[in-house]
Amino acid sequence: IAGITQAPTSQILAAGRRMTLRCTQDMRHNAMYWYRQDLGLGLRLIHYSNTAGTTGKGEVPDGYSVSRANTDDFPLTLASAVPSQTSVYFCASSETAGSSTDTQYFGPGTRLTVL
Amino acid sequence: GQNIDQPTEMTATEGAIVQINCTYQTSGFNGLFWYQQHAGEAPTFLSYNVLDGLEEKGRFSSFLSRSKGYSYLLLKELQMKDSASYLCAVRDSNYQLIWGAGTKLIIKP
Repeated sequence: IAGITQAPTSQILAAGRRMTLRCTQDMRHNAMYWYRQDLGLGLRLIHYSNTAGTTGKGEVPDGYSVSRANTDDFPLTLASAVPSQTSVYFCASSETAGSSTDTQYFGPGTRLTVL
Repeated sequence: GQNIDQPTEMTATEGAIVQINCTYQTSGFNGLFWYQQHAGEAPTFLSYNVLDGLEEKGRFSSFLSRSKGYSYLLLKELQMKDSASYLCAVRDSNYQLIWGAGTKLIIKP
C-alpha cells in the first residue's frame, strides 16, 4: 500500500442500514480526518483524530461515528443511513495536527448513495 | 461565521495565464492552502502560504495578503490537464481546515 486507501469505492445502500467506510494509511501519520463533499459546498469535516486512541467531532458529526484503535485505520460508521448522507466521503491524514504547516493528504474517496 | 469565497467557474485558453481568487473570513488564521481536484478524484496539495507575499512553484504561484483576507492562485502556460477544480482552504484558530466550494477551471484549446 502507498498512501491512503479507502473501501468500498462506491456503494448503494438502503435507508436504515448500517454501513462502515474503511480508511487505512501507511504513512505513519498521527492525524486522520473524514470529510464529505457535496456539490456546491466545500469539504465538510465529519470527525477527526489527532492521534491513535482519540477522536473529535467536526462540523457535521450527527449520524456518524468513528474509532481510532491504531495509527493506520480510521473507520467511519453510519449507524442508520438516511438519504441526506448521500455524498462522496474522503478520508485524509496528516503528520501532526496542531501545526500550521501540517498538510493533509487524501484518499481516493467513497461514493455513497442512500436510497 | 467562517466563510471562504471563490468563483464557481472560470474558463481560460490553453497556453494562457489564469488567476483564481479566494477571499476568507475565519476565526483566526494559521495558513492558507490550495488543492487541485480532477473530476472524480481526490484533492491533491498544490501550495501553502502563511506569510504575505508570493510563493512560486513551477507554473503555479500562490499569493497571500492577510490584512485583506485574500489569496490567489496563478496558473501560467495553461495545459489541458489543468482542467480541474481548485480548492482554497484556511486553517483556523483551532487548526481545522475551512474549505471553499472550489473553482472549476475549464481550459479550451
